[in-house]
Amino acid sequence: EIVLTQSPGTLSLSPGERATLSCRASQSVSSSYLAWYQQKPGQAPRLLIYGASSRATGIPDRFSGSGSGTDFTLTISRLEPEDFAVYYCQQYGSSPYTFGLGTKLEIK
Amino acid sequence: EVQLVESGGGLVKPGGSLRLSCAASGFTFSSYSMNWVRQAPGKGLEWVSSISSSSNYIYYADSVKGRFTISRDNAKNSLYLQMNSLRAEDTAVYYCATGPPLVSWGQGTLVTVSS
Repeated sequence: EIVLTQSPGTLSLSPGERATLSCRASQSVSSSYLAWYQQKPGQAPRLLIYGASSRATGIPDRFSGSGSGTDFTLTISRLEPEDFAVYYCQQYGSSPYTFGLGTKLEIK
Repeated sequence: EVQLVESGGGLVKPGGSLRLSCAASGFTFSSYSMNWVRQAPGKGLEWVSSISSSSNYIYYADSVKGRFTISRDNAKNSLYLQMNSLRAEDTAVYYCATGPPLVSWGQGTLVTVSS
């Protein structure tokens, strides 16, 4: 089973700042099958990034994903008020399709 | 518009059974793999199970293997999760989702396992 470790657990930033979220895998994620999701309280998660770096439909270009192998990054270039939420990475290259524990992005 | 609507959640005693359903509309259901993902209260996401479009490939998390069974009926545009031998730690909101990657999600159905 591939274990995904997300860091930091909590990130405190202000609107307009840049956010960098990390997701590290315990073994290589095949074909960069790594996705990022955003979840707000009381809502279902929303797909942001798939294939490590491809933005999902309708996702603003301030969200970007990068990385390969075991190290992946989600970057939000300029934080908007609606971006404060919990972010999860997930690998879907091999079963079980594990999630990280999440990074909570909070307003400073 | 893609719609996924889960149902079948509720309160069940430990050791009991429950069957969840997910009704799909707005897309060609028979062409997509489907998944169940759960979220315990105040906790993170946990992938539970996945089934391919023709049910040829089925995968489970270790935590539910042997107790849960995923299935689908493409004629009815429906996904199911039969949950047996339920435990307190199975208490969660259960989401169905297309993929992977998990592009479209339902709003979830709450399963509470408690005596």
